[in-house]
Amino acid sequence: DAKTTQPPSMDCAEGRAANLPCNHSTISGNEYVYWYRQIHSQGPQYIIHGLKNNETNEMASLIITEDRKSSTLILPHATLRDTAVYYCIVKIRGYQKVTFGTGTKLQVIP
Amino acid sequence: GAGVSQSPRYKVAKRGQDVALRCDPISGHVSLFWYQQALGQGPEFLTYFQNEAQLDKSGLPSDRFFAERPEGSVSTLKIQRTQQEDSAVYLCASSLDMGRDQPQHFGDGTRLSIL
Repeated sequence: DAKTTQPPSMDCAEGRAANLPCNHSTISGNEYVYWYRQIHSQGPQYIIHGLKNNETNEMASLIITEDRKSSTLILPHATLRDTAVYYCIVKIRGYQKVTFGTGTKLQVIP
Repeated sequence: GAGVSQSPRYKVAKRGQDVALRCDPISGHVSLFWYQQALGQGPEFLTYFQNEAQLDKSGLPSDRFFAERPEGSVSTLKIQRTQQEDSAVYLCASSLDMGRDQPQHFGDGTRLSIL
């Protein structure tokens, strides 16, 4: 799987959009970008995934650059409950094994 | 509906004891995964099942670690002769269908402490 690079930590004001970047410059054509988050003392929670098109669901939006070498997870209106570690993962299509890195610790500030 | 359930939530054992950790996946989920998460680190893959078949056990750290899923639903991760370095959170995840890139759904883990 391609390696991902994320900033170790970020702050965001409550109610503002949180934009979490991820670099995956060695991504190949058959690899998806997945985002999970882990709230303290809980298991990781799936957020969203995409291949090359931008995606949106009830939790977040995923913006993937045209060259697919980076992506941004957007939480449109961050709340205190969004404080968590966010993991950006690249996974080969149809392949089950997932490799987590150390993620970005997002702190939402009142 | 019910999510992935893991038990016990916490386990304390003395060094050298054997432990067994249980995972109840979401009903109907074909794939099941075990991960180990050390403090401050991301989860690390241990092993993967498709139904009852263990297709990948490349992440198991030693032969003291053994996982099974005999009927293709509930899974047990067993650690024999536990060592202090086995202290970690053990996470279980399940997903619906291998071929369609379904996301993994995680339980809240078992926190194992070896004294």
